[in-house]
Amino acid sequence: TQLLEQSPQFLSIQEGENLTVYCNSSSVFSSLQWYRQEPGEGPVLLVTVVTGGEVKKLKRLTFQFGDARKDSSLHITAAQPGDTGLYLCAGQYNFNKFYFGSGTKLNVKP
Amino acid sequence: KAGVTQTPRYLIKTRGQQVTLSCSPISGHRSVSWYQQTPGQGLQFLFEYFSETQRNKGNFPGRFSGRQFSNSRSEMNVSTLELGDSALYLCASSPGQGVSYGYTFGSGTRLTVV
Repeated sequence: TQLLEQSPQFLSIQEGENLTVYCNSSSVFSSLQWYRQEPGEGPVLLVTVVTGGEVKKLKRLTFQFGDARKDSSLHITAAQPGDTGLYLCAGQYNFNKFYFGSGTKLNVKP
Repeated sequence: KAGVTQTPRYLIKTRGQQVTLSCSPISGHRSVSWYQQTPGQGLQFLFEYFSETQRNKGNFPGRFSGRQFSNSRSEMNVSTLELGDSALYLCASSPGQGVSYGYTFGSGTRLTVV
């Protein structure tokens, strides 16, 4: 059983479409991070959220942390082929335990 | 600023052998963590080192071990390799202990056990 559930597992969309990826847990995070990983490379940190209800924007990407700090979402506006990759959420519990979700594999077709 | 360097990038080993993987963190980063990534299990935490001491350990058998040197470089060793050890091994560095600082990952070492 995954401590962090990500959905959907796979997503294939056309360039220009919007999408949302979800990360859920039954436990409270002390912080949560989103990473993107491209084939053959390590994950790259996109954002860290700490405060419940926090919203952060990174160009066309919007990250939201749930009020109760148990869930998070990543919304991409007008997706581009360069957004293709594996999106991973990672939650920190009790300030010293850290778990990755299984990831959402996104494919944006030109 | 140089990134996190992992060597080698690819490795093929036979069952029963042992292997040592190396990681050089970003200059000034004192924390190094190791992860195993497989298609079935995703990213699984192996261990974290800070100032040459293991601070956290995941649920892996004792065949998996590591160490950190005074210059923060880290090595990971797997003894008596099994087929199931085939995976991408990722090293991540951060300025301080704990992930809240944000990880910078290396490109990984792809280990294949035959």
